[in-house]
Amino acid sequence: SQELEQSPQSLIVQEGKNLTINCTSSKTLYGLYWYKQKYGEGLIFLMMLQKGGEEKSHEKITAKLDEKKQQSSLHITASQPSHAGIYLCGADIRNNNDMRFGAGTRLTVKP
Amino acid sequence: ETGVTQSPTHLIKTRGQQVTLRCSSQSGHNTVSWYQQALGQGPQFIFQYYREEENGRGNFPPRFSGLQFPNYSSELNVNALELDDSALYLCASSLGGHTKNIQYFGAGTRLSVL
Repeated sequence: SQELEQSPQSLIVQEGKNLTINCTSSKTLYGLYWYKQKYGEGLIFLMMLQKGGEEKSHEKITAKLDEKKQQSSLHITASQPSHAGIYLCGADIRNNNDMRFGAGTRLTVKP
Repeated sequence: ETGVTQSPTHLIKTRGQQVTLRCSSQSGHNTVSWYQQALGQGPQFIFQYYREEENGRGNFPPRFSGLQFPNYSSELNVNALELDDSALYLCASSLGGHTKNIQYFGAGTRLSVL
């Protein structure tokens, strides 16, 4: 089983709608990263969260870390077609430089 | 643009062959991590090099090996290729050999093993 579970696996939303992607860890999180990937390409860094309760925003994307629940969420407000792609959460869950990733959430935004 | 470049972009090999993939890290970064990403999956950590030394390894067999050079560029070598080695191979560079440092990824090398 995946050590980082992402939900949903895929999401189709109408342009302008809000959406949330979740990432849940089976182990203690030592930092949580969000990346975006276009199909078959490299990962683009979005945000890093290190402390419980931390919340960061960049443009229309907000990420939060709930350390006690070993969970993070990524929220997109007023989605646009440019938000489409695969969103991946990554974390060092062993505190030994071994970055684990979830399987990703594929987002489609319909114009 | 992350400043991390990988070569080649695509590669086709046959089972049993050997392959070398290359990665140039972002200027000023001294750490390179390698990942394997199968279709529909998240990246899987292969290993990390920090200042030319291996600094962590995932659950990959010894036929996956690597090098880091004095200029911090890196190579991933895979011997005795198997069909399951077909994947996107990603390298990421960072400053400092710890995952608390943000990793910046290259565009990847797509390897197909026939």
